[in-house]
Amino acid sequence: QSALTQPASVSGSPGQSINLTCAGTSSVAGSFHLVSWYQQHPGQAPKLMIYEVNKRPSGVSNRFSGSKSGNTASLTISGLQAEDEADYYCCSYTSSWVFGGGTKLTV
Amino acid sequence: QVQVVQSGAEVKKPGASVKISCKIVGNIFSNYAFQWVRQAPGQGLEWLGWINAGNGNTKYSQKFQGRITMTSDTSASTAYMEVSSLRSEDTAVYYCAKDRSDAAGAWDYWGQGTPVTVSS
Repeated sequence: QSALTQPASVSGSPGQSINLTCAGTSSVAGSFHLVSWYQQHPGQAPKLMIYEVNKRPSGVSNRFSGSKSGNTASLTISGLQAEDEADYYCCSYTSSWVFGGGTKLTV
Repeated sequence: QVQVVQSGAEVKKPGASVKISCKIVGNIFSNYAFQWVRQAPGQGLEWLGWINAGNGNTKYSQKFQGRITMTSDTSASTAYMEVSSLRSEDTAVYYCAKDRSDAAGAWDYWGQGTPVTVSS
């Protein structure tokens, strides 16, 4: 069982808000304040979207926000755009760094 | 402008080794740590390990302990990862990524990826 569980796919319409979730097991609980999110378009390298739960790097649209409740982290994308269609991976720390299985977002 | 530039595609036979390079351009190499991540065809991301470019300290995924070696050359601003005893399951795109120095788990600049094909 992976330490981080993400839904395999999510879909939304342009302009909508959507929530991608990342459920952590007890093994990540102590480090879940370090959860980050990466966006990956086909054939490209991942891109950092959110780090330390809710911090956004400069240059990332403020349509992207992160939060955490208990052992579940969420990435919220507001005002969905066609360019948001991509795979999204959460990442956190157990005794090593671990990624969730990824969520394919279809817009 | 920071850039992370990786070496080119590799084709290897089972049992061989591969060494991939990761050069940082436009910033002070020794200030950072570098993560290595791979992605098998059609699969998700998998963390391989980490190297502190300044002092050479490393931490490897337990899954790859003994098969992966990460090194750094500060004079060349380049990090390296060598994977030995290659098998077909190691066929993947290998990425290096630079750590933000002010946050953990925040890898803000990624290389373009190095495809490695393991085939007889």
